Amino acid sequence: DIQMTQSPSSVSASVGDRVTITCRASQGISSWLVWYQQKPGKAPKLLIFAASSLQSGVPSRFSGSGSGTDFTLTISSLQPEDFATYYCQQANSFPLTFGGGTKVEIK
Amino acid sequence: EVQLLESGGGLVQPGGSLRLSCAASGFSFSSYGMSWVRQAPGKGLEWVSSISGTGTSTYHADSVKGRFTFSRDNSKNTLYLQMNSLRAEDTAVYYCAKDLSGYNSIFDYWGRGTLVTVSS
Repeated sequence: DIQMTQSPSSVSASVGDRVTITCRASQGISSWLVWYQQKPGKAPKLLIFAASSLQSGVPSRFSGSGSGTDFTLTISSLQPEDFATYYCQQANSFPLTFGGGTKVEIK
Repeated sequence: EVQLLESGGGLVQPGGSLRLSCAASGFSFSSYGMSWVRQAPGKGLEWVSSISGTGTSTYHADSVKGRFTFSRDNSKNTLYLQMNSLRAEDTAVYYCAKDLSGYNSIFDYWGRGTLVTVSS
């Protein structure tokens, strides 16, 4: 199975800050990496797919990069509605696996 | 508008069974792979099972293999997750999710989830 490791597990940031979250796969997954945002009590929301493709309707302050084993989600200027937990997921092969999550909290 | 509505969750004793349903609307149901993803209370996301658009191919996490069966009825636009031999560690919110158009295993729409609690 492919293990997905996210870091940090939590980050405190202020509105306007640039936030970077990393995700590492235990083996190469090409660009088959997905990012989701989840708010408390809600279903996850697709942000980025194929490592760097922005899902329709997602603000351009979100961006993704990477390939192979190392990936990054960047929020260029944190907004109040961005405080949430972010998960990466590999879509390369079954069993599908998620990272442990990164909680973005208000500083 | 795409809608996914899960039902069938509830409280069940260890060793018991439960069948979850997910009613889909707003898209060409049989053209899309679908999946179940669960989230234990206060924990992260865990993929459970996936099924192809035709229903001929299914995939399961090792943690549920042999206990859970994933099926679909394309005439009713409905998914089913039959869960047998339930364990305490199966306690979670279960989400059904739709594949992104043109891709497999990337989920662009999710239901609101249904809570399954396994406890005596």
